[in-house]
Amino acid sequence: QVTLRESGPALVKPTQTLTLTCTFSGFSLSTSGMCVSWIRQPPGKALEWLALIDWDDDKYYSTSLKTRLTISKDTSKNQVVLTMTNMDPVDTATYYCARILSYGDRIDYWGQGTLVTVSS
Amino acid sequence: QSVLTQPPSVSAAPGQKVTISCSGSSSNIGNNYVSWYQQLPGTAPKLLIYENNKRPSGIPDRFSGSKSGTSATLGITGLQTGDEADYYCGTWDSSLSAGWVFGGGTKLTVL
Repeated sequence: QVTLRESGPALVKPTQTLTLTCTFSGFSLSTSGMCVSWIRQPPGKALEWLALIDWDDDKYYSTSLKTRLTISKDTSKNQVVLTMTNMDPVDTATYYCARILSYGDRIDYWGQGTLVTVSS
Repeated sequence: QSVLTQPPSVSAAPGQKVTISCSGSSSNIGNNYVSWYQQLPGTAPKLLIYENNKRPSGIPDRFSGSKSGTSATLGITGLQTGDEADYYCGTWDSSLSAGWVFGGGTKLTVL
Protein backbone atom coordinates (compact mmCIF):
# COMPACT_ATOMS: atom_id res chain seq x y z
CA GLN A 1 0.00 0.00 0.00
CA VAL A 2 1.57 3.24 -1.18
CA THR A 3 1.19 6.33 0.99
CA LEU A 4 2.80 9.76 0.97
CA ARG A 5 2.56 12.42 3.66
CA GLU A 6 3.75 16.01 3.55
CA SER A 7 5.03 17.82 6.61
CA GLY A 8 6.33 21.30 7.25
CA PRO A 9 5.34 24.69 8.61
CA ALA A 10 1.83 25.97 8.03
CA LEU A 11 2.98 29.58 8.19
CA VAL A 12 6.14 31.23 6.91
CA LYS A 13 7.13 34.87 6.71
CA PRO A 14 8.03 36.65 3.48
CA THR A 15 11.69 36.20 2.48
CA GLN A 16 12.03 33.06 4.63
CA THR A 17 12.97 29.64 3.28
CA LEU A 18 10.34 26.91 3.25
CA THR A 19 11.37 23.33 3.92
CA LEU A 20 8.86 20.55 3.23
CA THR A 21 9.36 16.85 3.83
CA CYS A 22 7.56 14.05 2.02
CA THR A 23 7.61 10.76 3.93
CA PHE A 24 6.46 7.81 1.90
CA SER A 25 5.91 4.09 2.26
CA GLY A 26 5.01 1.16 0.07
CA PHE A 27 7.79 1.66 -2.47
CA SER A 28 11.47 2.39 -2.69
CA LEU A 29 12.90 5.41 -4.43
CA SER A 30 15.91 3.31 -5.35
CA THR A 31 13.75 1.14 -7.65
CA SER A 32 14.24 1.88 -11.33
CA GLY A 33 11.47 4.07 -12.73
CA MET A 34 10.36 5.54 -9.42
CA CYS A 35 10.12 9.31 -9.05
CA VAL A 36 8.73 11.65 -6.42
CA SER A 37 7.48 15.09 -7.31
CA TRP A 38 6.23 18.22 -5.60
CA ILE A 39 3.16 19.99 -6.96
CA ARG A 40 1.36 22.98 -5.52
CA GLN A 41 -2.07 24.53 -5.84
CA PRO A 42 -2.84 28.10 -4.77
CA PRO A 43 -6.33 28.49 -3.29
CA GLY A 44 -8.91 28.28 -6.06
CA LYS A 45 -6.28 27.88 -8.76
CA ALA A 46 -4.76 25.16 -10.92
CA LEU A 47 -2.09 22.59 -10.18
CA GLU A 48 1.49 23.73 -10.72
CA TRP A 49 4.34 21.23 -10.98
CA LEU A 50 7.45 22.25 -9.02
CA ALA A 51 10.16 19.60 -8.99
CA LEU A 52 10.94 15.92 -9.46
CA ILE A 53 13.66 13.57 -8.25
CA ASP A 54 14.15 10.10 -9.66
CA TRP A 55 15.58 6.78 -8.54
CA ASP A 56 18.96 7.72 -10.03
CA ASP A 57 19.04 11.07 -8.18
CA ASP A 58 18.38 13.07 -11.35
CA LYS A 59 16.47 16.24 -10.61
CA TYR A 60 14.13 18.41 -12.65
CA TYR A 61 12.70 21.82 -11.74
CA SER A 62 10.00 24.16 -12.92
CA THR A 63 11.69 26.65 -15.22
CA SER A 64 9.98 29.60 -13.57
CA LEU A 65 11.01 28.57 -10.05
CA LYS A 66 14.26 26.67 -10.51
CA THR A 67 16.44 29.37 -8.96
CA ARG A 68 14.49 29.05 -5.71
CA LEU A 69 13.98 25.27 -5.48
CA THR A 70 16.09 22.39 -4.27
CA ILE A 71 14.87 18.81 -4.12
CA SER A 72 16.73 15.98 -2.41
CA LYS A 73 16.11 12.47 -1.17
CA ASP A 74 17.09 10.24 1.72
CA THR A 75 16.42 6.75 0.44
CA SER A 76 17.16 5.11 3.78
CA LYS A 77 14.46 7.22 5.46
CA ASN A 78 12.00 7.09 2.54
CA GLN A 79 11.91 10.88 2.45
CA VAL A 80 12.08 13.60 -0.16
CA VAL A 81 12.75 17.18 0.89
CA LEU A 82 11.89 20.36 -1.00
CA THR A 83 13.29 23.74 -0.08
CA MET A 84 11.98 26.97 -1.57
CA THR A 85 13.83 30.19 -0.83
CA ASN A 86 12.64 33.77 -0.63
CA MET A 87 9.00 32.95 0.05
CA ASP A 88 6.37 35.48 -1.01
CA PRO A 89 2.62 35.73 -0.32
CA VAL A 90 1.97 34.52 -3.89
CA ASP A 91 3.55 31.21 -2.83
CA THR A 92 0.61 30.56 -0.51
CA ALA A 93 -0.71 27.20 -1.64
CA THR A 94 -1.40 23.60 -0.79
CA TYR A 95 1.78 21.66 -1.48
CA TYR A 96 1.47 18.04 -2.55
CA CYS A 97 4.06 15.35 -2.91
CA ALA A 98 3.26 12.56 -5.30
CA ARG A 99 4.72 9.41 -6.80
CA ILE A 100 5.39 9.38 -10.52
CA LEU A 101 6.13 6.28 -12.55
CA SER A 102 8.74 6.59 -15.26
CA TYR A 103 8.68 10.36 -15.66
CA GLY A 104 5.83 10.82 -18.07
CA ASP A 105 3.69 7.83 -17.38
CA ARG A 106 1.41 8.80 -14.51
CA ILE A 107 1.16 10.42 -11.12
CA ASP A 108 -0.42 7.46 -9.42
CA TYR A 109 -0.35 8.39 -5.74
CA TRP A 110 -0.74 11.77 -4.07
CA GLY A 111 -0.27 12.91 -0.51
CA GLN A 112 -3.13 14.71 1.19
CA GLY A 113 -1.34 18.03 0.80
CA THR A 114 -0.23 20.64 3.29
CA LEU A 115 -1.39 24.26 3.22
CA VAL A 116 1.43 26.77 3.50
CA THR A 117 0.51 30.40 4.10
CA VAL A 118 3.06 33.14 3.53
CA SER A 119 2.30 36.15 5.65
CA SER A 120 4.05 38.53 8.00
CA GLN B 1 -0.93 30.53 -17.80
CA SER B 2 -0.89 26.71 -18.03
CA VAL B 3 1.11 24.92 -20.72
CA LEU B 4 -1.85 22.68 -21.57
CA THR B 5 -5.16 24.29 -22.53
CA GLN B 6 -8.47 23.10 -21.10
CA PRO B 7 -11.90 24.72 -21.13
CA PRO B 8 -12.55 26.41 -17.76
CA SER B 9 -15.92 24.75 -17.34
CA VAL B 10 -18.34 22.23 -18.79
CA SER B 11 -21.80 21.21 -17.69
CA ALA B 12 -24.40 18.60 -18.45
CA ALA B 13 -27.42 16.95 -16.91
CA PRO B 14 -27.31 13.73 -14.91
CA GLY B 15 -27.15 10.70 -17.17
CA GLN B 16 -25.71 12.68 -20.06
CA LYS B 17 -22.23 12.59 -21.56
CA VAL B 18 -19.54 15.24 -21.47
CA THR B 19 -16.09 15.63 -22.99
CA ILE B 20 -13.18 17.73 -21.78
CA SER B 21 -10.42 18.68 -24.17
CA CYS B 22 -6.74 19.21 -23.48
CA SER B 23 -4.51 20.85 -26.05
CA GLY B 24 -0.73 20.93 -26.04
CA SER B 25 2.21 20.72 -28.38
CA SER B 26 4.66 18.27 -29.90
CA SER B 27 7.01 18.55 -26.93
CA ASN B 28 4.38 17.37 -24.45
CA ILE B 29 1.14 15.68 -25.57
CA GLY B 30 2.49 14.98 -29.04
CA ASN B 31 5.25 12.72 -27.78
CA ASN B 32 4.25 11.58 -24.31
CA TYR B 33 1.43 9.84 -22.50
CA VAL B 34 -1.46 11.91 -21.21
CA SER B 35 -3.07 11.29 -17.83
CA TRP B 36 -6.19 12.75 -16.27
CA TYR B 37 -6.92 13.62 -12.65
CA GLN B 38 -10.14 14.20 -10.77
CA GLN B 39 -10.10 16.59 -7.84
CA LEU B 40 -13.19 16.57 -5.65
CA PRO B 41 -13.69 19.66 -3.48
CA GLY B 42 -11.21 19.82 -0.62
CA THR B 43 -9.32 16.68 -1.60
CA ALA B 44 -6.09 15.75 -3.37
CA PRO B 45 -6.22 14.92 -7.07
CA LYS B 46 -6.84 11.30 -7.99
CA LEU B 47 -5.60 9.45 -11.07
CA LEU B 48 -8.46 8.80 -13.47
CA ILE B 49 -6.84 7.90 -16.79
CA TYR B 50 -3.22 7.05 -17.61
CA GLU B 51 -1.27 6.25 -20.77
CA ASN B 52 -3.89 8.18 -22.77
CA ASN B 53 -6.73 5.72 -22.35
CA LYS B 54 -6.17 3.26 -19.50
CA ARG B 55 -8.14 3.22 -16.27
CA PRO B 56 -6.61 2.34 -12.90
CA SER B 57 -8.29 -0.36 -10.93
CA GLY B 58 -11.51 0.92 -9.39
CA ILE B 59 -12.22 3.62 -11.95
CA PRO B 60 -15.54 2.87 -13.68
CA ASP B 61 -15.69 2.48 -17.44
CA ARG B 62 -17.89 5.58 -17.59
CA PHE B 63 -14.56 7.41 -17.77
CA SER B 64 -12.54 7.18 -20.97
CA GLY B 65 -9.56 8.89 -22.55
CA SER B 66 -8.21 9.39 -26.01
CA LYS B 67 -5.36 11.19 -27.72
CA SER B 68 -4.81 12.43 -31.23
CA GLY B 69 -1.73 14.37 -32.24
CA THR B 70 -1.21 17.16 -29.75
CA SER B 71 -4.66 16.97 -28.14
CA ALA B 72 -6.35 14.66 -25.69
CA THR B 73 -9.92 14.19 -24.55
CA LEU B 74 -11.56 12.91 -21.40
CA GLY B 75 -15.05 11.50 -21.76
CA ILE B 76 -17.54 10.87 -19.01
CA THR B 77 -20.82 9.08 -19.69
CA GLY B 78 -23.80 8.48 -17.45
CA LEU B 79 -23.04 11.63 -15.45
CA GLN B 80 -23.69 11.52 -11.72
CA THR B 81 -23.83 14.34 -9.22
CA GLY B 82 -20.78 12.79 -7.57
CA ASP B 83 -18.77 13.51 -10.72
CA GLU B 84 -18.87 17.24 -9.97
CA ALA B 85 -15.21 18.08 -9.61
CA ASP B 86 -12.24 19.74 -11.23
CA TYR B 87 -10.50 17.71 -13.91
CA TYR B 88 -6.88 18.17 -14.94
CA CYS B 89 -4.85 16.75 -17.78
CA GLY B 90 -1.13 16.26 -17.33
CA THR B 91 1.89 14.99 -19.19
CA TRP B 92 5.67 15.15 -19.37
CA ASP B 93 7.19 17.91 -21.45
CA SER B 94 10.35 16.80 -23.24
CA SER B 95 11.57 20.26 -24.22
CA LEU B 96 14.80 21.83 -22.95
CA SER B 97 12.90 22.81 -19.82
CA ALA B 98 11.79 19.25 -19.17
CA GLY B 99 9.19 18.59 -16.53
CA TRP B 100 5.55 17.84 -15.84
CA VAL B 101 2.90 20.16 -17.19
CA PHE B 102 -0.77 20.43 -16.35
CA GLY B 103 -3.82 21.96 -17.89
CA GLY B 104 -5.58 24.82 -16.17
CA GLY B 105 -8.34 22.53 -14.99
CA THR B 106 -11.98 22.16 -16.00
CA LYS B 107 -14.82 22.52 -13.55
CA LEU B 108 -17.56 19.98 -14.27
CA THR B 109 -21.03 20.92 -13.15
CA VAL B 110 -23.75 18.29 -13.20
CA LEU B 111 -26.94 20.29 -13.51
